[in-house]
Amino acid sequence: EDKVVQSPLSLVVHEGDTVTLNCSYEVTNFRSLLWYKQEKKAPTFLFMLTSSGIEKKSGRLSSILDKKELFSILNITATQTGDSAVYLCAVEARDFGNEKLTFGTGTRLTIIP
Amino acid sequence: DSGVTQTPKHLITATGQRVTLRCSPRSGDLSVYWYQQSLDQGLQFLIQYYNGEERAKGNILERFSAQQFPDLHSELNLSSLELGDSALYFCASSVTGGQSTGANVLTFGAGSRLTVL
Repeated sequence: EDKVVQSPLSLVVHEGDTVTLNCSYEVTNFRSLLWYKQEKKAPTFLFMLTSSGIEKKSGRLSSILDKKELFSILNITATQTGDSAVYLCAVEARDFGNEKLTFGTGTRLTIIP
Repeated sequence: DSGVTQTPKHLITATGQRVTLRCSPRSGDLSVYWYQQSLDQGLQFLIQYYNGEERAKGNILERFSAQQFPDLHSELNLSSLELGDSALYFCASSVTGGQSTGANVLTFGAGSRLTVL
């Protein structure tokens, strides 16, 4: 069964700090890894990574995938209170001809002003 | 606004009852997914429809059923409700339905929070 594990489960830091969120996975027929941010309600898409070693960057957020070691990290620099959210990692794998998405339980990030 | 519309936003009902959750996908998206998110649980995949047909099934209980209509909106029916069914139910949509190689980026609705008392 496909498995996605995120760590830490929760993290509390001060505004301005840099954080690193981890996602490891065990799936058959890996296709891609996605990061989502979930604030009050709907998860919103952040990044999609398909190739190993290529960093995706959007402002203060960046992510990289290591397909050999089966993990990804999400970095947030100069954190702001608006970064407080649950960050979800999801892995897409091919399953009987379809792409199946498995989510981790998320990392709850709290930024203290 | 993500473009995926879910109703109702909140629902409180009693054990043993039946409810229907509704989802309208983003314009142009053919595929609809249903996820359940309980307290401290990740998003659990329930079921996926593509252009009216069931495409994939996850950990969906037999008491639950879903369908996608010709206008592409979808309904999730939950029956014989139990306390443990209390959760946030998300609908998500995507264009391709998951058969293209590479990522299938989902757009989520705001969710329907179900409370079973």
